[in-house]
Amino acid sequence: QVQLQESGPGLVKPSGTLSLTCTVSGGFISDKNCLSWVRQPPGKGLEWIGEIYDSGSTIYNPSLKSRVSISVDKSKSLVSLNVTSVTAADTAVFYCATGVSAAAPLGNWGQGTLVTVSS
Amino acid sequence: SYVLTQPPSVSVAPGETARITCGATYIGSKSVHWYQQRPGQAPLLVIFYDGDRPSGIPERFSGSSSGNTATLTISRVEAGDEADYYCQVWDNSRVPPGMEFGGGTKLTVL
Repeated sequence: QVQLQESGPGLVKPSGTLSLTCTVSGGFISDKNCLSWVRQPPGKGLEWIGEIYDSGSTIYNPSLKSRVSISVDKSKSLVSLNVTSVTAADTAVFYCATGVSAAAPLGNWGQGTLVTVSS
Repeated sequence: SYVLTQPPSVSVAPGETARITCGATYIGSKSVHWYQQRPGQAPLLVIFYDGDRPSGIPERFSGSSSGNTATLTISRVEAGDEADYYCQVWDNSRVPPGMEFGGGTKLTVL
């Protein structure tokens, strides 16, 4: 069973870069799965940010594409998310979640981590 | 983008049946997944590929999809079912393809 844990700073200044890490245990990167990042602003719905595949290729939400990058460090079983030029609108709980393929459901989720953008 | 429309709220009495819809153009031609999210918790997959249930999800949860509407049905609703529910699809009609979520429906058990 794959287990996911998000980590990173809980507070980021406006115009700065939000950087989060998802630690994957129990098998993912070598099993041809994909890992997605999803965010949820306080009191609002879920928004897909993007995902990365076993091959290292990525797909991003077009609304965020210019500010987002996702990368993987297989040796450390880590998947990283960077969001640049953040504003208060980027304040959200960020989740990493896995599926067996691009179109597959997200069967495993991390507990989420709240990131607040504020000076 | 592919827009999924859910009612903001649905209310049912315990023991009754709750139906939560997810509307979109030709959604019946796509695979729909449903997530339950209780307050302060991460989403939990409750229905995948329109109507399949992950292990551990009660048989009271079922799903269907046809035409322009997908439906999550919860039979014999219990107090513990009170949560937000989200539909989700993979939109491969655009380049690049991507994931879309509905706006969510708050299920209230009266």
